[in-house]
Amino acid sequence: DAKTTQPTSMDCAEGRAANLPCNHSTISGNEYVYWYRQIHSQGPQYIIHGLKNNETNEMASLIITEDRKSSTLILPHATLRDTAVYYCIVRPRGVTSYDKVIFGPGTSLSVIP
Amino acid sequence: EAGVAQSPRYKIIEKRQSVAFWCNPISGHATLYWYQQILGQGPKLLIQFQNNGVVDDSQLPKDRFSAERLKGVDSTLKIQPAKLEDSAVYLCASSSYQETQYFGPGTRLLVL
Repeated sequence: DAKTTQPTSMDCAEGRAANLPCNHSTISGNEYVYWYRQIHSQGPQYIIHGLKNNETNEMASLIITEDRKSSTLILPHATLRDTAVYYCIVRPRGVTSYDKVIFGPGTSLSVIP
Repeated sequence: EAGVAQSPRYKIIEKRQSVAFWCNPISGHATLYWYQQILGQGPKLLIQFQNNGVVDDSQLPKDRFSAERLKGVDSTLKIQPAKLEDSAVYLCASSSYQETQYFGPGTRLLVL
């Protein structure tokens, strides 16, 4: 079973911020939170990842709660091209850490004109 | 930097036939993954290689699926014989030693 739970679907108005939540209450200390998205008929695309600090890049921001049991991916100004399935996963990083990466069904985000 | 390459992009076969998929990972990436994604579901890991050794193949149906990664670079995934339930998208991903995975475009397989 996936270690994360996400809402099945969400809508967001074009130009508004899209806030996608993810629960990972059993996350371990060495596990990072990763976000990917999958646009129809394409492979999953890496968005962002973080351990405990908030992270921002050119695509999105990642807010992780202090207890690390949940996080939120923020797309600051959603466009129609952001319509996709968004996956939140947790996994360790580094050569000495191995764990099977398990994808859940993700959140289907629809950006509405 | 070139991404993960996969071929073919689409394949239609009849049940009981065999099929093979090819993946070329990002240059220098030691870890290679094959995933199966059935419509409406998230990707499911089939097999993970570290260089040319298998790290995890616990979800690979070994009676019909096989994979190899000779020389620790390119990889092929084979299905023989195919069943109707093998219809899915087969995704290849690569990473640098358990770091961020980068995915290819996938091969869409339809078994009739």
